[in-house]
Amino acid sequence: RKEVEQDPGPFNVPEGATVAFNCTYSNSASQSFFWYRQDCRKEPKLLMSVYSSGNEDGRFTAQLNRASQYISLLIRDSKLSDSATYLCVVRNFNKFYFGSGTKLNVKP
Amino acid sequence: DVKVTQSSRYLVKRTGEKVFLECVQDMDHENMFWYRQDPGLGLRLIYFSYDVKMKEKGDIPEGYSVSREKKERFSLILESASTNQTSMYLCASSSWTSGRGGRGEQYFGPGTRLTVT
Repeated sequence: RKEVEQDPGPFNVPEGATVAFNCTYSNSASQSFFWYRQDCRKEPKLLMSVYSSGNEDGRFTAQLNRASQYISLLIRDSKLSDSATYLCVVRNFNKFYFGSGTKLNVKP
Repeated sequence: DVKVTQSSRYLVKRTGEKVFLECVQDMDHENMFWYRQDPGLGLRLIYFSYDVKMKEKGDIPEGYSVSREKKERFSLILESASTNQTSMYLCASSSWTSGRGGRGEQYFGPGTRLTVT
């Protein structure tokens, strides 16, 4: 079983739509959780950390459910520039486990 | 602004050559990592280092070695390059734990696209 599982998509949505990505992780002892964004042929960049109480950064909201070992990312009012692959990342001590990524295409 | 730099963006080498990929971070991070990323396979950990001169094998260490002589620098060495090592190589660093205003997130360099012919 993979450490981190994500729906690979692609998610094809119109501009202005709300889209949600989900991710599950297998190790209940994991300590930190993140969402990264990766544009085509570029490096992953930190989008946001995920806190137990949930957190928001502008149009982006992240949630963590430790009991279900589940992480989510909600993007509101999608922009063309949001088109990218979104990686769910879980940290356990000094190792990081990456999901395979969910591809988002925002269409005009 | 945090920064991880890699010595080359693009590299073309011949089969059998010894290849050095260099990575430098300016964030005083304890941990450094080398990954490769291939279409359909995601990010795979080759080696990581949690301190100077310390290293641990990741998921796919065969055909690679690493060197960490200084805290800010982590080198990946392909002892004898082969065509199946054609890939995007990504270096990353992170602090030991959360704190210093962060949660121990990783920061990536821009990547090196290596082609072995």
